[in-house]
Amino acid sequence: QVQLVQSGAEVKKPGSSVKVSCRASGGTFSSFTISWVRQAPGQGLEWMGMIVPAFGTTDYAQQFQGRVTTTADGSTSTVYMEMRSLRSDDTAVYYCAREHENGGFDIWGQGTMVTVSS
Amino acid sequence: DIVMTQSPDSLAVSLGERATINCKSSQSLLYSSNNKNYLAWYQQKPGQRPRLLTYWASTRESGVPDRFSGSGSGTDFTLTISSLQAEDVAVYYCQQYFTTPWAFGQGTKVEIK
Repeated sequence: QVQLVQSGAEVKKPGSSVKVSCRASGGTFSSFTISWVRQAPGQGLEWMGMIVPAFGTTDYAQQFQGRVTTTADGSTSTVYMEMRSLRSDDTAVYYCAREHENGGFDIWGQGTMVTVSS
Repeated sequence: DIVMTQSPDSLAVSLGERATINCKSSQSLLYSSNNKNYLAWYQQKPGQRPRLLTYWASTRESGVPDRFSGSGSGTDFTLTISSLQAEDVAVYYCQQYFTTPWAFGQGTKVEIK
């Protein structure tokens, strides 16, 4: 069974960038879509964008267009999410999640806490 | 963009009683060509990652207890927990995957009365 393993917690300064990784353990991404979803402290889930690793195609929520980039490295079965120009309200847990073949997200990474603070 | 609205924001139910969570979408999630509703439900326990409960509005994911059931079509959906157990204390989210940007409801917190 594939698991998604994410990189560790990050503490960043406002205006800087962060790059979070998500590696498929026990399998590959195949033709699945991987999304990034974030959750601010005490808040709900917010979809950020997605990538189809096999093709490199991406789609982003409008509020993240131009500030977030997702990439994939097929040789290591790893997907990356880079966010630039970080603000304090970007403080959140960032999850990668695999899209189920019938829709919805059936496998989630453990989450990566990103704290943006001066 | 499709907006998902859940109700109530929270509810307290006695052990063994029924819990009902509603989810409304701003446009239909029913795709006419396959007659499927593009809606999923998740459970998120404190400090844990979300867990997929149902997809296609009513198809239970493997391993999900049968006390969880999804229903509804078009713009109105419901997640029912038929007999609440202590381990069901969590926040529940609906999510549409009819068209991007995918969107989640704001969440409903379920507690024990």
